[in-house]
Amino acid sequence: DARVTQTPRHKVTEMGQEVTMRCQPILGHNTVFWYRQTMMQGLELLAYFRNRAPLDDSGMPKDRFSAEMPDATLATLKIQPSEPRDSAVYFCASGWAISGKSTDTQYFGPGTRLTVL
Amino acid sequence: GDSVTQMEGPVTLSEEAFLTINCTYTATGYPSLFWYVQYPGEGLQLLLKATKADDKGSNKGFEATYRKETTSFHLEKGSVQVSDSAVYFCALSTDNQGGKLIFGQGTELSVKP
Repeated sequence: DARVTQTPRHKVTEMGQEVTMRCQPILGHNTVFWYRQTMMQGLELLAYFRNRAPLDDSGMPKDRFSAEMPDATLATLKIQPSEPRDSAVYFCASGWAISGKSTDTQYFGPGTRLTVL
Repeated sequence: GDSVTQMEGPVTLSEEAFLTINCTYTATGYPSLFWYVQYPGEGLQLLLKATKADDKGSNKGFEATYRKETTSFHLEKGSVQVSDSAVYFCALSTDNQGGKLIFGQGTELSVKP
């Protein structure tokens, strides 16, 4: 049963520290999404990649957030420096899409719950 | 821009009651429509989808019909169970969005025994 995996599942850190979240998409999927979920804002799309190339990162605060796909089996989301307002659950999702067409279904990982003190 | 609007929650029902969660959308293209469910402490998972007008998606007793004339995709279930307690998200995706999902705000459902 193929699944998206995310590590760590929980992270507590202090303001100013660097945080790196990792995601392993389902093998064969060519599109990876990063979402943030909070009570106030709901689900927000931060960035997404197609065939490891960034397609859209307009939802991401550029000054402190960065997202990369070093290879097809790993996506990373980094926050440096972290702030208390970054406290949220961060989800990675993967899917398959033909260029110019919408992704059929997105498969979500279990999320990383980040708390910044 | 494209958007999704869901009925506000929380929705509280007794077991075996009928469920409707309303969802309407605005889209410039021809969207695919989805319902995702999020159980406590978990990520979202696809519940059902429909890719063109008049299609009916169904899964686990849940159904939703793609109504282009009313731009709606309401979720229904004839008899809910306690295990259906979760947050339900309506979403759309269009080709011109490059595969992004546009989510509604989510509707929390609580089913009491």
